[in-house]
Amino acid sequence: ELKVEQNPLFLSMQEGKNYTIYCNYSTTSDRLYWYRQDPGKSLESLFVLLSNGAVKQEGRLMASLDTKARLSTLHITAAVHDLSATYFCAVDDVSDSGNQFYFGTGTSLTVIP
Amino acid sequence: DSGVTQTPKHLITATGQRVTLRCSPRSGDLSVYWYQQSLDQGLQFLIQYYNGEERAKGNILERFSAQQFPDLHSELNLSSLELGDSALYFCASSVALGRYTEAFFGQGTRLTVV
Repeated sequence: ELKVEQNPLFLSMQEGKNYTIYCNYSTTSDRLYWYRQDPGKSLESLFVLLSNGAVKQEGRLMASLDTKARLSTLHITAAVHDLSATYFCAVDDVSDSGNQFYFGTGTSLTVIP
Repeated sequence: DSGVTQTPKHLITATGQRVTLRCSPRSGDLSVYWYQQSLDQGLQFLIQYYNGEERAKGNILERFSAQQFPDLHSELNLSSLELGDSALYFCASSVALGRYTEAFFGQGTRLTVV
């Protein structure tokens, strides 16, 4: 079964600091998705990474993909309180019978003023 | 707003009961997914429908069933409910965009079984 693992599970960081969330997956897929979820809310798409070496940035968040290592990272630069949320990575497994998104365990990020 | 509508937003019911969760996908999206999110299990894929047909099945219990209707809305039926079924249930619809699939999630239905 396809596995997606994230670490850390919980992250408490001070405003202004940098940190990286790691996502390891077991499939050979070259598609990797990052989502954000605010407490009690839905999942919001952040990034889609489509090839080895892909890098995408939006504001203080930057995601990258290394398909050879089966690793994606989400780097947070100079964190601000508004970034407090749970971040999920996901891969999709496409077959003749459909496609499933497999989600990591999520990283709950709290940014402390 | 993702364009995916789920009703109801909250549901409180007793053990042993049956409930139906409803999902309306984004206009034009043929694919619907159901996910269960609980504190100890994370986000678990339950089932996928595409244009009325079941396409993929995940860790869906036999007590649970789903269907997608001709108008593409979907329902997830949960029966003989147990305390452990308390969770946030998400529906998503998706569109294929060439090399990848973009999924849009609804706001979820929070089910509490007491």
